[in-house]
Amino acid sequence: QVQLQQSGAELTKPGSSVKISCKASGYTFTSYDISWIKQRPGQALEWIGAINPGSGGTGYNEKFKGKATLTVDKSSSTAFMQLSSLTPEDTAVYYCATGSFDYWGQGVMVTVSS
Amino acid sequence: DIRMTQTPASLSASLGESVTITCRASQDIGKSLLWFQQKTGKPPKILIYTASNLVSGISPRFSGSGSGTQFSLKISSLKPEDTANYYCCQGYSLYTFGAGTKLELK
Repeated sequence: QVQLQQSGAELTKPGSSVKISCKASGYTFTSYDISWIKQRPGQALEWIGAINPGSGGTGYNEKFKGKATLTVDKSSSTAFMQLSSLTPEDTAVYYCATGSFDYWGQGVMVTVSS
Repeated sequence: DIRMTQTPASLSASLGESVTITCRASQDIGKSLLWFQQKTGKPPKILIYTASNLVSGISPRFSGSGSGTQFSLKISSLKPEDTANYYCCQGYSLYTFGAGTKLELK
């Protein structure tokens, strides 16, 4: 069955960067885009961007350009998102999801605090 | 950027009743509209795609309609397990989520 397994919770300091992962299994990794979605505590979902694992092509929400960088490692069927210049406003749960959002990872809590 | 205006922000209804949530897009998006359900502490689950198509395994008590700029999600015969947040999402140009609707049962 299709599964997306995300990395563990992160506690980071303002100004730093963090890289979280999303390991896919149960399907051909290059068949579907991987999207990344942000959800601040008690807030709505925000689409960050998506990557085509086959071509490496990306699309970003304008709001997250310069903040998020999406990459993949086809050899391990893993998608990555690096978040840079972190501020407390980046504290959120970050989800990955396949294609048209059929399957989701469990989410990663990123906390930015001094 | 396409903006999605979702209403109401919250609603309360009784078991067995029906409720409707609406989403308005800032421009014509055809039928490129998804609906999600999210329960506390869980990732969202897709309910409806292309505005009115029910995802396999989702209860037929959920139905979607609309096209262009106006869309709605109807939940019939409310059950306790329907308590959740609901989100619309346009997929016409990249993706944009609505602000969500919190559904509580009386």
